[in-house]
Amino acid sequence: GAGVSQSPSNKVTEKGKDVELRCDPISGHTALYWYRQSLGQGLEFLIYFQGNSAPDKSGLPSDRFSAERTGGSVSTLTIQRTQQEDSAVYLCASSLGGGRGETQYFGPGTRLLVL
Amino acid sequence: DQQVKQNSPSLSVQEGRISILNCDYTNSMFDYFLWYKKYPAEGPTFLISISSIKDKNEDGRFTVFLNKSAKHLSLHIVPSQPGDSAVYFCAASAWNYGQNFVFGPGTRLSVLP
Repeated sequence: GAGVSQSPSNKVTEKGKDVELRCDPISGHTALYWYRQSLGQGLEFLIYFQGNSAPDKSGLPSDRFSAERTGGSVSTLTIQRTQQEDSAVYLCASSLGGGRGETQYFGPGTRLLVL
Repeated sequence: DQQVKQNSPSLSVQEGRISILNCDYTNSMFDYFLWYKKYPAEGPTFLISISSIKDKNEDGRFTVFLNKSAKHLSLHIVPSQPGDSAVYFCAASAWNYGQNFVFGPGTRLSVLP
């Protein structure tokens, strides 16, 4: 499989618990994005990594959200003290370079449900 | 306040006919636009893009039209095929938005055989 993969595909958690979502980008892609899609909404940008540059965290909705990208490859999105409004599909995408004209390739997403 | 709007949540079209999906935006700084297609349980896939220096971009059965004065773009699919049934997202970005694309809520297209 040469595409973007995400795990888990589904996650059910209790309010107040922490969750970690994983993204494996396409090999060789330097740019990695996290988005979330709440019910009936469009994709909401969360964070962007490009090579070794400092990430663009401008889309993170609160300090409960954080993300890391280790070794320029795999990324983990962590949500601490989850709330019910965090329930959404979390999508990861990667692109070869980081320019706006670069095609982003999306993973299938992680569906998060906070009870 | 939604900066990118897709006012039709759903659209049904007969196979072989034209599908027209609409998108409106409010931010005049947007200068680059994308359309993505999404099947259930899959991530969105890139379909076609257009820069604000153009008013039309065509790729096979897909054509995107941009009307900057009206802040409106549309995606035309001709002829529509059952495999085109999916959710279509419009996305926009401005040169000073970094990597932040603003997405619309999507339109679900059903192409009926």
